[in-house]
This record gives sequence, C-alpha cells and structure tokens, in this order.
Amino acid sequence: NAGVTQTPKFQVLKTGQSMTLQCAQDMNHEYMSWYRQDPGMGLRLIHYSVGAGITDQGEVPNGYNVSRSTTEDFPLRLLSAAPSQTSVYFCASRPGQTYNEQFFGPGTRLTVL
Amino acid sequence: AQSVAQPEDQVNVAEGNPLTVKCTYSVSGNPYLFWYVQYPNRGLQFLLKYITGDNLVKGSYGFEAEFNKSQTSFHLKKPSALVSDSALYFCAVTLRGDSNYQLIWGAGTKLIIKP
Repeated sequence: NAGVTQTPKFQVLKTGQSMTLQCAQDMNHEYMSWYRQDPGMGLRLIHYSVGAGITDQGEVPNGYNVSRSTTEDFPLRLLSAAPSQTSVYFCASRPGQTYNEQFFGPGTRLTVL
Repeated sequence: AQSVAQPEDQVNVAEGNPLTVKCTYSVSGNPYLFWYVQYPNRGLQFLLKYITGDNLVKGSYGFEAEFNKSQTSFHLKKPSALVSDSALYFCAVTLRGDSNYQLIWGAGTKLIIKP
C-alpha cells in the first residue's frame, strides 16, 4: 500500500512553461485535493475532487487546472508558469466524509524562474 | 468569515518539559477539529481529531488535545517533550453536516525542542 504518491519531487520551470504534477493514491479514496504551502501561510486549497469526473475550485485556483478521470489519479496542470507559483505542492486524499483524516503525499517543490 | 488562528509562530520547549501548541477557531457551526504534524521535507501526517464526545482526545506519539467549546480552542499538548517532536504543527477545522466542506487551516506553529 503506497498511500499517496507525487511526482516529481523537485521541478524548475521558466516563466511561461507548462507542466503537470502527478498524484496517485491506492486507497480507493473518494476525495482528493491539491494544496500549496507557502511560508507563514499554512496550506491553501487549489482544487479538489469528490469522485471521478467531479472537480471543483478551492481558495486559489487561478493558473491551475485539474481532472479526475479515475479514482486513483488527480493531476494538477500549470498552464503558464509564473514566479508566484513557486511553492511546495501537496496532494491529499481521504475516504468520504469530512470527519476523516487526510493522507498527504510527500510534496513537489516547484521553482519558477 | 471562518478562520483558524495559531497565535504563536514558534514555541520553544526544553526536552522533558510539557508543551502546548495553541489553536483557536471561528466558525459558524459545530466543528470537527484536527491536528497535523509536518517533519522537515515531508508531507503532513495526521495526529488526532475531535469529532464528538469526550473533550480530551488522545493521538499519536503521546499527544493529546482538549476541545473547549466556550473558548473555541483546541490546544495540542504533551506531558513530556522529546527532541524528535520538533516539527511544524497545523491545526485545521471543518464544519459538521456538509460532506464537501473544506478544511480551514491555521498558519502553522514551529515547535523546537531543545536538549
């Protein structure tokens, strides 16, 4: 049981480039989400999904797209990278209801030059 | 607006002493409350949660937290700190009754345990 996996662990992009951060979970969790973590700001929700084929915006969705074609995978796409997107990105999943704890991936550290 | 406050950016404690990491919240309904820990260069790990019932909840690694409804607080505590407890701690809140409601996160408190 690998839990939540994320790739890559590190990435450097130039302004304007696009890329996809991968996230997968093998726990059959319905709910998945993407957060960004910036110093002193805690975690901010980018996008989330409550099941395959269903996605919605979080607190800071601009510049990011997501899709959920399967229960297992929830990729995050940066459309045109900007220096403001330099951050650490975490994917998380949980089974169903909000009283269940979330399981986090190890994170992707992204630098946009 | 719903919010979570962790009033201390950093808490310093000597090894063996008790520790407290503070969390207060402001939400419009009844909350579910969580604590997560993040070790350096790692993802967040769940520590404990309050759902209902006993206001004192026990979690992983000897941590506990007390839900205080009148003070809208959920402080994290441990009787005797270890150097290995040094990490970043996050408090989070969500509302009961809405299965899609998102977690509201505090900004985090860095806990430093000195030998």
